[in-house]
Amino acid sequence: KAGVTQTPRYLIKTRGQQVTLSCSPISGHRSVSWYQQTPGQGLQFLFEYFSETQRNKGNFPGRFSGRQFSNSRSEMNVSTLELGDSALYLCASSFKPHWPGNTGELFFGEGSRLTVL
Amino acid sequence: KQEVTQIPAALSVPEGENLVLNCSFTDSAIYNLQWFRQDPGKGLTSLLLIQSSQREQTSGRLNASLDKSSGRSTLYIAASQPGDSATYLCAACSNDYKLSFGAGTTVTVRA
Repeated sequence: KAGVTQTPRYLIKTRGQQVTLSCSPISGHRSVSWYQQTPGQGLQFLFEYFSETQRNKGNFPGRFSGRQFSNSRSEMNVSTLELGDSALYLCASSFKPHWPGNTGELFFGEGSRLTVL
Repeated sequence: KQEVTQIPAALSVPEGENLVLNCSFTDSAIYNLQWFRQDPGKGLTSLLLIQSSQREQTSGRLNASLDKSSGRSTLYIAASQPGDSATYLCAACSNDYKLSFGAGTTVTVRA
């Protein structure tokens, strides 16, 4: 059974540009959540999608957005990149969503490492 | 806002010693608590998931306990091996259905 696949694995952008990251969940998983990991802030929740609907959102500015397609694949977009957006972006999938109260084990991808110059 | 703390930040032990990793959280109204392992530059691997109604969960050499009333969870790794060297993170799923992660404990097992 294939795991969570994230693409691209590494990318370099300059300030002001935008970036789109992709996540393909484990087959059969319908919930996809995104996290940002930085040395200073650790792992922070960005948002969660289930059945193409955003179910939950963390405390990030509107420059961070996402969507989910009918095949459960998800993309996140960061517009007007800032230096502080440099991070490892992790995607996780689960069979059930983390809302309302359906909790389940999360399976993470290897991440997309974004460097903003 | 849920705050999750992991102490110590780093730990070095000789092979064969048992490991005890601590995780504390400020809001006891959690739905579950999950322990993960992260190798350098990699994603997270789920180790154990404890539902709020459970007191502990075991998998092989790993055992995790949960005490909601005191806001604590402990991960025990028996008979540590060099392959256990990694960063271990705990994450609490709170009543706002968001996961809050600790900063992790980096473990080094010396051969």
